Amino acid sequence: KAGVTQTPRYLIKTRGQQVTLSCSPISGHRSVSWYQQTPGQGLQFLFEYFSETQRNKGNFPGRFSGRQFSNSRSEMNVSTLELGDSALYLCASSLAGASYGNTIYFGEGSWLTVV
Amino acid sequence: SQQGEEDPQALSIQEGENATMNCSYKTSINNLQWYRQNSGRGLVHLILIRSNEREKHSGRLRVTLDTSKKSSSLLITASRAADTASYFCATYSGGGADGLTFGKGTHLIIQP
Repeated sequence: KAGVTQTPRYLIKTRGQQVTLSCSPISGHRSVSWYQQTPGQGLQFLFEYFSETQRNKGNFPGRFSGRQFSNSRSEMNVSTLELGDSALYLCASSLAGASYGNTIYFGEGSWLTVV
Repeated sequence: SQQGEEDPQALSIQEGENATMNCSYKTSINNLQWYRQNSGRGLVHLILIRSNEREKHSGRLRVTLDTSKKSSSLLITASRAADTASYFCATYSGGGADGLTFGKGTHLIIQP
């Protein structure tokens, strides 16, 4: 079956703009989570959605937000982009989430460059 | 915050040799997962090991978990050039607060 699909794969934005990234989880998976990967901070948890509700949130400013739709697809939005937001954004899906001991599957990521 | 710490940070071996990477973590965990990441790509899931398990195998991979020492190891046997990648351990501690917590990874280079 198809894996986790993220779009777009690459994008360049200007400081101050906003960006929306999209994620389609594996069919049947209801938990979607987002991670940011940078050379300096490594992989960091942004937030998790389950059944259209944000269940967990990492330590990121309110400029980072997300949502999940009834078909489990998810989007994350970053407003007022800063240079430091340049990163690989990874979406992950699982049946019910890490708290249930599920295997967490990742997509290929969206490379965001802020100039 | 980084819970896991992989060791070594970088490892270079000859093709055909075995590669061992270690992961240490700080708090009690429910499970630990190992991932592989090729340059610029997403994370590929390798193995999940639960806190009540001590060892798991998958093909050429063997993972051990020692909860008393808060450590795990990943062994790749008979390495191949295609194994060149970064390897991460990720833990989930429970409480629902933080999702998976990753270490900084071990960069493995397999010399042909």
